[in-house]
Amino acid sequence: DTEVTQTPKHLVMGMTNKKSLKCEQHMGHRAMYWYKQKAKKPPELMFVYSYEKLSINESVPSRFSPECPNSSLLNLHLHALQPEDSALYLCASSQAAQGDNEKLFFGSGTQLSVL
Amino acid sequence: EDQVTQSPEALRLQEGESSSLNCSYTVSGLRGLFWYRQDPGKGPEFLFTLYSAGEEKEKERLKATLTKKESFLHITAPKPEDSATYLCAVQAGGGGNKLTFGTGTQLKVEL
Repeated sequence: DTEVTQTPKHLVMGMTNKKSLKCEQHMGHRAMYWYKQKAKKPPELMFVYSYEKLSINESVPSRFSPECPNSSLLNLHLHALQPEDSALYLCASSQAAQGDNEKLFFGSGTQLSVL
Repeated sequence: EDQVTQSPEALRLQEGESSSLNCSYTVSGLRGLFWYRQDPGKGPEFLFTLYSAGEEKEKERLKATLTKKESFLHITAPKPEDSATYLCAVQAGGGGNKLTFGTGTQLKVEL
């Protein structure tokens, strides 16, 4: 199994809603990532978990709250988002927590629209 | 600050018309340069990793090369199914697990 599975594929939410994005991998990878991608822009790193601990937070606003319940799962909790947060949210995993083999496996993403 | 610049932004080719995509980078100690393919509404799909100048890798109609300042993705005799956005990303020394992506080249191959 070389897949990273993200749910839901599409999400529409109001600015007062609370929702969560989910990501799962069963490749035994020890690093998991959240990226944000706006249309026709490159992916931008948000968070990195290494061995289930948050290792990188790219100064993301607190309305985005990551969680790594175990080595296979990664969640992104959303609360009080703004319309400008509408984007494709990508989850990725890699075998290495540190080192040079940083080949990332990406999920298909959650297309989020904030109204 | 690490920088990655890709050119051209968009490229339209006829089927069978070979070409190259460019990725120029400025990083403090390159640990790896990555090429990904991204289809609309999908996550990036890994193609290649290059680690040192002079290195080359091939996969089907694609060949990636690396110098100290740039990387090229050569596409030989492309087919319509090669149409996608091609992203280049770099991992710098001391950067942990962080990749810095370029803005991509949107390739369209027509019959």
